[in-house]
Amino acid sequence: NAGVTQTPKFQVLKTGQSMTLQCAQDMNHNSMYWYRQDPGMGLRLIYYSASEGTTDKGEVPNGYNVSRLNKREFSLRLESAAPSQTSVYFCASSKAGVNEQFFGPGTRLTVL
Amino acid sequence: GENVEQHPSTLSVQEGDSAVIKCTYSDSASNYFPWYKQELGKGPQLIIDIRSNVGEKKDQRIAVTLNKTAKHFSLHITETQPEDSAVYFCAATENTGFQKLVFGTGTRLLVSP
Repeated sequence: NAGVTQTPKFQVLKTGQSMTLQCAQDMNHNSMYWYRQDPGMGLRLIYYSASEGTTDKGEVPNGYNVSRLNKREFSLRLESAAPSQTSVYFCASSKAGVNEQFFGPGTRLTVL
Repeated sequence: GENVEQHPSTLSVQEGDSAVIKCTYSDSASNYFPWYKQELGKGPQLIIDIRSNVGEKKDQRIAVTLNKTAKHFSLHITETQPEDSAVYFCAATENTGFQKLVFGTGTRLLVSP
């Protein structure tokens, strides 16, 4: 099992450019999450998908959109990147009825 | 909504010493409190968790205590080793079948040989 995989690992964008961060899990988990991690601010939930076919906003959803493509894949899209979106992005997944979240290795995004 | 505060932000100890990281939460409805460890360049990984019906839980050298009345919980690491060096995050959630974790701001633990 690869667990949770994220692509790309690193990305540099210019202000106004768009991009999609990809996340996939092979653990047959129902729920998936996108977090951003900034220095001194911990992990903040951007969007989550409790189950296939549903998505909901988290704590900091502005400037982002998500798609739960199928049970395995959950993508995060930045339509018009801003320097404030410079961060490390983590995808996570969890099994229904089980509390533990499994995290991917992260994507380090820089917006110039 | 829930707010989780974590202290200290950095903690340096000598190998073999104990380390304690403390968190407070604001929402009395929260009843599930996990701790995650993040090593350099990796995603966080669950190391221990506790539910509100339990006051203390141990797993080898790590333990977590919970005081629901005071709304605080702590991570205790005994006999620290250099491989314990990492960033530790506490979190809280109201466990209603689906969890939306609210994380603390993290503690960078450095264990010196």
